[in-house]
Amino acid sequence: AQTVTQSQPEMSVQEAETVTLSCTYDTSESDYYLFWYKQPPSRQMILVIRQEAYKQQNATENRFSVNFQKAAKSFSLKISDSQLGDAAMYFCAYRSAGTDYGNKLVFGAGTILRVKS
Amino acid sequence: EAGVVQSPRYKIIEKKQPVAFWCNPISGHNTLYWYRQNLGQGPELLIRYENEEAVDDSQLPKDRFSAERLKGVDSTLKIQPAELGDSAVYLCASSSQGFYGYTFGSGTRLTVV
Repeated sequence: AQTVTQSQPEMSVQEAETVTLSCTYDTSESDYYLFWYKQPPSRQMILVIRQEAYKQQNATENRFSVNFQKAAKSFSLKISDSQLGDAAMYFCAYRSAGTDYGNKLVFGAGTILRVKS
Repeated sequence: EAGVVQSPRYKIIEKKQPVAFWCNPISGHNTLYWYRQNLGQGPELLIRYENEEAVDDSQLPKDRFSAERLKGVDSTLKIQPAELGDSAVYLCASSSQGFYGYTFGSGTRLTVV
C-alpha cells in the first residue's frame, strides 16, 4: 500500500519570504500523480498544484512550485513571496494512475503553515 | 458553476444517536467520495461511488455506517449509532471520469458527546 509522510508538523515563514514544505512517499508503482492541497479554517480542500510522475519537469503555479525527485520519492512544495492568505494546513497526496486503487487519494498528516507579518 | 455542497456544516449529537450527512456533487461528476478527517490528520477514504455503484467501501465500518447514492447524483452518509470516536470532519468530493483531481466540499464537522 502507498504511504505519504510529511515530517514537518508546523512551519513558519515571514511575509514575502520563501518556505519549503517536505513530502516523501512510498510506492512500488511507476505511474502516479502527486498533489498539494491547502486546507484553510473553512475546511475546504483547495488544490494548489499537481504533478504527473511521468513528467520530469517540475510543476509551477504562480508563486507555488514543486521539486519532484522520483528516484528519491520526494515531492516538496516551495511557496515564494509568502502572503498572509497562504496560512493554512497543507496536505501532500498521492494517487495511483492504475485501476487497482481507482481514484483513491492517500494523504499525509499535513503541515500547518503560519505566516508572520 | 456551483461546487460540491455539503450539509449540515456542523452537527453535535449525543453518543448512540443517529446522524446523517448529505452531499451534492458537481453536475456531471460521476465519481463521488466520502472521506473522514480526524483532528490533526489527513483525510481517509470511507467509500467511493461510480454513478450509483459503491466500488470501494473497504474502509467503511459497515456495522454502523451506511451510504447511498440514489440516481447517481446526491449522496447520504449515515452513522447509527454514533460513538465518541466518530467525532471528525466528513468530507465529500467528486470528480469527472478520467480526471485525476477532485473537487472537495467544505465538510461536516461532527462532534459526538
